[in-house]
Amino acid sequence: AQSVTQPDIHITVSEGASLELRCNYSYGATPYLFWYVQSPGQGLQLLLKYFSGDTLVQGIKGFEAEFKRSQSSFNLRKPSVHWSDAAEYFCAVGGGYSTLTFGKGTMLLVSP
Amino acid sequence: NAGVTQTPKFQVLKTGQSMTLQCAQDMNHEYMSWYRQDPGMGLRLIHYSVGAGITDQGEVPNGYNVSRSTTEDFPLRLLSAAPSQTSVYFCASSRVEGAPYNEQFFGPGTRLTVL
Repeated sequence: AQSVTQPDIHITVSEGASLELRCNYSYGATPYLFWYVQSPGQGLQLLLKYFSGDTLVQGIKGFEAEFKRSQSSFNLRKPSVHWSDAAEYFCAVGGGYSTLTFGKGTMLLVSP
Repeated sequence: NAGVTQTPKFQVLKTGQSMTLQCAQDMNHEYMSWYRQDPGMGLRLIHYSVGAGITDQGEVPNGYNVSRSTTEDFPLRLLSAAPSQTSVYFCASSRVEGAPYNEQFFGPGTRLTVL
């Protein structure tokens, strides 16, 4: 069965500092990987996705993620965090029939 | 296109009451699904459907029923609500055909409290 692990429940980053959110997955075949963001009281917004090809994918809002098959990881990065990036971030792996398995999420706090 | 819509946005129930959460999409998507979101648990799949008349269970199906009579609608029924069903519920849809994988589109969510 597929699974996703986000090791960090909370992360605090200073505004302007760089960010890396960790995601490890378990999946038997070629994974389809996603990062979603959820602001408080809101729905989920897709930040980026990896299907195949270039292992460094660019997303919206200045985010990028790198797929590393050898490490079963798909970490999310941003070079300079803005206060508006404070939210909860979910990594997910896609399986058959479009099903998604989500990690438990990482809450990003941005300090002034 | 309205995308994926969910009603109601908020609902409070008493234990034992029944209700239906509505989900509709206007993108002609074959695949529709329901997730529940609980603090520290991420989103967990309740039920999904790959077309009208076809439904299947996800990770946490107990206490929930679904049916899919049309492509557009995928209601989630709670027959006898329990406090453990207090959660935020998200509906999602996507195409089934097409390679390699189809992005899911999420509704805005329904926040349900069971007292």
